[in-house]
Order: sequence, then C-alpha cells, then structure tokens
Amino acid sequence: EDQVTQSPEALRLQEGESSSLNCSYTVSGLRGLFWYRQDPGKGPEFLFTLYSAGEEKEKERLKATLTKKESFLHITAPKPEDSATYLCAVQAGGSQGNLIFGKGTKLSVKP
Amino acid sequence: IAGITQAPTSQILAAGRRMTLRCTQDMRHNAMYWYRQDLGLGLRLIHYSNTAGTTGKGEVPDGYSVSRANTDDFPLTLASAVPSQTSVYFCASPSGNSDTQYFGPGTRLTVL
Repeated sequence: EDQVTQSPEALRLQEGESSSLNCSYTVSGLRGLFWYRQDPGKGPEFLFTLYSAGEEKEKERLKATLTKKESFLHITAPKPEDSATYLCAVQAGGSQGNLIFGKGTKLSVKP
Repeated sequence: IAGITQAPTSQILAAGRRMTLRCTQDMRHNAMYWYRQDLGLGLRLIHYSNTAGTTGKGEVPDGYSVSRANTDDFPLTLASAVPSQTSVYFCASPSGNSDTQYFGPGTRLTVL
C-alpha cells in the first residue's frame, strides 16, 4: 500500500534556527514527490517537485532533497512568515495521477 | 499560473439535503481531482476525472458523485449530506505539461 509519513507533526523554531522536516514514503514506482505549503484557511500552495533520488531543489530559504525512501525539506534561517503547515505528497507510477498525502508538519517560527 | 475557482467558499447544510460544490479551471487541462481534508487525516482523494466524459473513484467516494460534461467544470455532489461529510473540500488540476497539481481555495462544508 502506498503511504506517506511526515515528521515531526509540529515544530517550533526561533527565527534564524535552521531545521529539517522529514517525509518518508513507500510507493509502487515513484512518479514524483511534491512539497506544498498550506496557510490556515487556504489551499495547498505548490513548492517543489522531485522525480529521482539525489535530486535537490531550492527556493529562497527552502531546499528539498530526495532519496529512495524519504525526502527532506530543509529550512535555513527561517523567518516568522515561514510559519505554515508543510505537506508532502507522492504520485505513484501507473496511478490515475492522484496524490497521496502525508498528514503534514505544522511549523511555527517565533521572532 | 494555476487558475482554479471553487464555490461556495463555505456552507452550512442540514443533514439530508443535497449540495453541489463547484470547481472550474481555466488551464484547459484534462485531469481534475476532488480531495477532502480532515484534521488528523490529511488530504484524501474522493473522485477524479482524467478527461471530459470520464470519472473514477478515489479513496473515499461513498456519498459523493461527480460529472465531467466539459473540460473546465468538475462539480461534486452530495446527494443526501451526513455530518461525517463535514470537511474542507479542495479541487485540483495539473498545469501545463507537468504532473504538478494546483489547488483551488477550498470549500468549508459543515453538515448539521
């Protein structure tokens, strides 16, 4: 069964304190791994897509990496505006194209 | 940039009533998806459509139906709402030639 597990469930950081969020997955043929950011009351906002082990992508203070079993979202010197829930999802090869989501990590960055 | 609109933004509904949630995309993409998001459970697929005229069941389809008469619209219908259908509903569609799905702003539905 395809499955995505995110940890930790919640993370509190001080402004400037770097950390990483984890996304472990089991999937029958990975077609893509996606990271989204979700603010309260809003829809998920796309951040990154990763397709193969070893791939890395960066955007401002965020960097996503991928191995054969997990992905990390590294946050460097976070700011309060980075506070949000971060969602990880996988798309299985041969699937109807839908995403299988983890439950998310709620990040709070205090000034 | 993804263009997905959903209506209504929120709705309070009596149990047993019929309700249709609307989703429209302006990207002319073939695939569209409906997810529900519940606290502690994450986002789960309800129904999907790979192209106009076709639909399929996702992980949690019971109590819901969809139709896809054209490329732009993908309405989700609750024939007889129950309290367990209280949730936030998101419509999604890929953009361009990528698999990346873009989400609408969501509909918050409360069934009493």
